[in-house]
Formats: sequence, structure tokens, C-alpha cells
Amino acid sequence: NAGVTQTPKFQVLKTGQSMTLQCAQDMNHNSMYWYRQDPGMGLRLIYYSASEGTTDKGEVPNGYNVSRLNKREFSLRLESAAPSQTSVYFCASSEIIGANSPLHFGNGTRLTVT
Amino acid sequence: GENVEQHPSTLSVQEGDSAVIKCTYSDSASNYFPWYKQELGKRPQLIIDIRSNVGEKKDQRIAVTLNKTAKHFSLHITETQPEDSAVYFCAASGPHNAGNMLTFGGGTRLMVKP
Repeated sequence: NAGVTQTPKFQVLKTGQSMTLQCAQDMNHNSMYWYRQDPGMGLRLIYYSASEGTTDKGEVPNGYNVSRLNKREFSLRLESAAPSQTSVYFCASSEIIGANSPLHFGNGTRLTVT
Repeated sequence: GENVEQHPSTLSVQEGDSAVIKCTYSDSASNYFPWYKQELGKRPQLIIDIRSNVGEKKDQRIAVTLNKTAKHFSLHITETQPEDSAVYFCAASGPHNAGNMLTFGGGTRLMVKP
């Protein structure tokens, strides 16, 4: 039981390049999330998926797209990376959305955009 | 939307002393307040949470208190140990957050000196 698995762990991109961050969970959770973590700013929600087949914008969605491929997988895509997207990205899942269901985080992806 | 402020941003204590981290929130309708611990280079993990119908909750050396009137909640760690050194995040959620999403504070870096 791996929990939430993210790939890659590290990535360096040049401005304008694109990439997809992968996330998978094996806990049969319905809801999945993408957060970014920047120093002093806590964790900010980029996008979330309440259930398979649905996605919604979070607090900071600009410059990102997501795909809920199936119940297990939720990917985050940067179409044209910018230095402002340098951050640590965390995927998370929860049993259901709302109802105060605890979040389970992956190990994170450290992205640097030069 | 919800706004969560967390203080202090850094906290240094001697091993065995107590540590207190405070958070304030803006939305009086918020009803769920979890705390996450993030060790260096690792994922955030839930350590304790409290709901708005409870004023205090304890789990061994950690406790959380909630003052709904003043809209603040605090994490208390007693008899601190070096392994308590980490970044701690508070969060809040409620019906006014889209999908009951969590809003995180900026984090507190706790250092426990042996």
C-alpha cells in the first residue's frame, strides 16, 4: 500500500517548456488535489477533483491544467512553464470531498523553471 | 474566501519546554481545523484536527484549542523533543470554501534544541 505516489521527484525546465506531473493513489479515494508550496505561503490549492470525471479550479489555477484519468490518477500539466511556477508540488487525496475528510499527501515534486 | 494567518513563522525552544503556535481565520462559518506536520524534505502529515463543536482536543503531548468567538485556534506541544522539529501548518475549511477545501496558514518552523 504505497498511498499517494508522485513522479517525478525533481524536474528542471526552461521557460516555455511543457511537462506533466503524475499522481496516483491506491487508497480508493474519491477526491484528489494538486497543491503548490512556496516559502512562507503554506500550501495553495491549484486544482481539485471531487470525483472521477470532475475537476475544478482552486486558488491558483492560472498556467495549469489537470486531467482526472481514472479514479486512481490525477495529472497536472504545465503547458508553457514560467519561472513563477518554480515550486514544490504536492498531490493529495481524500476519501471524499468536504465532510472534513483528512488529506493524504504524496512526497512532492520539486520543480525549477529557469 | 477564507484567510488563515499563522504565527510565529519560526519558533525555537529548548528540549522539554512547551511550544505554542497560533492561527486566526476570517470566516466564522469555518468548522474544521486540522494541523499538519512536515519534516524536512517530506510530505505534510495530519497530526491532529478539531471540529467547531469542540473547544479542545488532546493526543498525548499535543493539544489543539479552538476559540470560535475570537476565530482563533492554537497547537500546543508539551515536553518537546528534537523529533518535534518540523514545519507545522494550520488549516481551516467550511461551507464557504469551494468544495469545503482547506485554506492553509503560512507555516511555522519549530526548532527544538537538545
